[in-house]
Amino acid sequence: NAGVMQNPRHLVRRRGQEARLRCSPMKGHSHVYWYRQLPEEGLKFMVYLQKENIIDESGMPKERFSAEFPKEGPSILRIQQVVRGDSAAYFCASSQSQDQPQHFGDGTRLSIL
Amino acid sequence: QKEVEQDPGPLSVPEGAIVSLNCTYSNSAFQYFMWYRQYSRKGPELLMYTYSSGNKEDGRFTAQVDKSSKYISLFIRDSQPSDSATYLCAMSLLIQGAQKLVFGQGTRLTINP
Repeated sequence: NAGVMQNPRHLVRRRGQEARLRCSPMKGHSHVYWYRQLPEEGLKFMVYLQKENIIDESGMPKERFSAEFPKEGPSILRIQQVVRGDSAAYFCASSQSQDQPQHFGDGTRLSIL
Repeated sequence: QKEVEQDPGPLSVPEGAIVSLNCTYSNSAFQYFMWYRQYSRKGPELLMYTYSSGNKEDGRFTAQVDKSSKYISLFIRDSQPSDSATYLCAMSLLIQGAQKLVFGQGTRLTINP
């Protein structure tokens, strides 16, 4: 499967723990985007990264959230000290270049107990 | 006012019917227009991608963009039960090298056999 791969598909954390979500873009894609989908709401942009660089993080909450896309390995979305309101589906998308369409993975569903 | 408005439905039609899905938007600077299909517990799947006014056809799907009215549509001909899903419109513009998508809320469509 050459599509966008996200893992884990489901993640359960207790309040105060850390959540790490991983995303491997499609082969040949160097642009990665993270979106969040809250229950009964549309997808909302969080952050846009290229290899080793954060290009736009205007949709990221100011605290507890961070993202990286290292030279080797997948992109990581990290949520520290999770709270109930972080429960959502987190989707990663990738594209070949800035003006090409974005293709999505099947998401990570995060549940906070 | 939301940047992108989409009737959430639900919309239920008989098999074989023509389906019309619509979105309006307020930001006249949007350059790219997309339709995604999302099955339950899966990621959005790109159906149509266009950047100009007019019609674009792909099999049973036709995307229509009217920039003067800030209105986009997706038509599905000869609808099938397998078309039952949530349809998301999305649009974007390039700002400082970043293309972040703005999504509608999604329309839940059911095709009845």
